[in-house]
Amino acid sequence: AAGVIQSPRHLIKEKRETATLKCYPIPRHDTVYWYQQGPGQDPQFLISFYEKMQSDKGSIPDRFSAQQFSDYHSELNMSSLELGDSALYFCASSSAAGDEKLFFGSGTQLSVL
Amino acid sequence: GQQVMQIPQYQHVQEGEDFTTYCNSSTTLSNIQWYKQRPGGHPVFLIQLVKSGEVKKQKRLTFQFGEAKKNSSLHITATQTTDVGTYFCAGRGGGADGLTFGKGTHLIIQP
Repeated sequence: AAGVIQSPRHLIKEKRETATLKCYPIPRHDTVYWYQQGPGQDPQFLISFYEKMQSDKGSIPDRFSAQQFSDYHSELNMSSLELGDSALYFCASSSAAGDEKLFFGSGTQLSVL
Repeated sequence: GQQVMQIPQYQHVQEGEDFTTYCNSSTTLSNIQWYKQRPGGHPVFLIQLVKSGEVKKQKRLTFQFGEAKKNSSLHITATQTTDVGTYFCAGRGGGADGLTFGKGTHLIIQP
């Protein structure tokens, strides 16, 4: 069965650079979530989209933005990167018509040097 | 904002012993979900509880949702080495999309 696909798997950036993370949800899933997980920490909710519109916002910094495109894939854009942005970024998808469980991708490990 | 507290943070058990993790929310939840994350992996959905006082079982795992829908627990009977990982509860309040995760309980099993 198709799963949530994230790219890239690993990303290394310098301070003040920008980064773009991509997420391809499970086919026919209409909701996408972005989470940030630091080492040994719990996933922190950043933002979510339902049917290409932002539906909920968590602890996403103003330096970050995200969108969901017509094909339902989503991108998380991160600018003016800071050392503290180093983390594992997960994308998850779900179906509003389903049982609301989240299917997580394998994540993008971002390292800011 | 909504807060979800989870205890204990770490739990060491001998293989074959039981394990329980507890989750408490600062607000009433519309539902609560449990996820397991293996080291180096991503969270994997285990179960969702919706009804007040609900109890669900999956083989050796028993999940409970409190009467007030503000707390939940996961109990594993006779742990096995395959149970190693971090167990997260995640709550969704009324009207919110994003799940709020607890800090997780890291289960370490000694053979």
